[in-house]
Amino acid sequence: EIVLTQSPATLSLSPGERATLSCRANQNVSSYLAWYQQRPGQAPRLLIYDASNRAIGIPARFSGSGSGTDFTLTIRSLEPEDFAVYYCQLRTNWYTFGQGTKLEIK
Amino acid sequence: QVQLVESGGGLVKPGGSLRLSCAASGFTFSDDYMSWVRQAPGKGLEWVSYISSSGTTLHYADSVKGRFTISRDNAKKSLYLQMNSLRGEDTAVYYCARDLRPGWGYLDYWGQGTLVTVSS
Repeated sequence: EIVLTQSPATLSLSPGERATLSCRANQNVSSYLAWYQQRPGQAPRLLIYDASNRAIGIPARFSGSGSGTDFTLTIRSLEPEDFAVYYCQLRTNWYTFGQGTKLEIK
Repeated sequence: QVQLVESGGGLVKPGGSLRLSCAASGFTFSDDYMSWVRQAPGKGLEWVSYISSSGTTLHYADSVKGRFTISRDNAKKSLYLQMNSLRGEDTAVYYCARDLRPGWGYLDYWGQGTLVTVSS
């Protein structure tokens, strides 16, 4: 079974700062990884797919990198609306999700 | 524009049944794979099931296998989830979602969700 582990569980930053979120798989998953953002009371939104491709309409400040077992979501300069929970997700192994990272305002 | 609207949630007793629906519009429903994903209160996302565009390929999470059935009606542009033998741990918001591309497994459009509460 492939498990995705996200870190940190909570990240406290200020608007304008750079955010770096991590997702680690317990075995090689190639580049078959996506990132989602979920704001309170809203459905998730696809940000990044295949590790580094931005979905339609996603601002350029969001970027994804990594392959194999280690992946990173970077938000270059945080806007107020970016404070949310972020999930990574595997497109194989029946769409496994990570447990999430909460990005909160410091 | 793409819209997914879930309905059918509510309060049900343990052991009971419920059928969720998802009405799709704004895209060619019959071309796309669809999924159900759930989120227990205050918890993370859990994929539940997916169905291929034709309805011939189905997959379920182990936690719901044998109890839930996914189906679709392409003529009605609708997705369904029949949930039987419900348990307390099935309490969650249930989202329907569309694959970015058929069979890719990335979910690019989501509904607003419907809440299922299993309690006596």
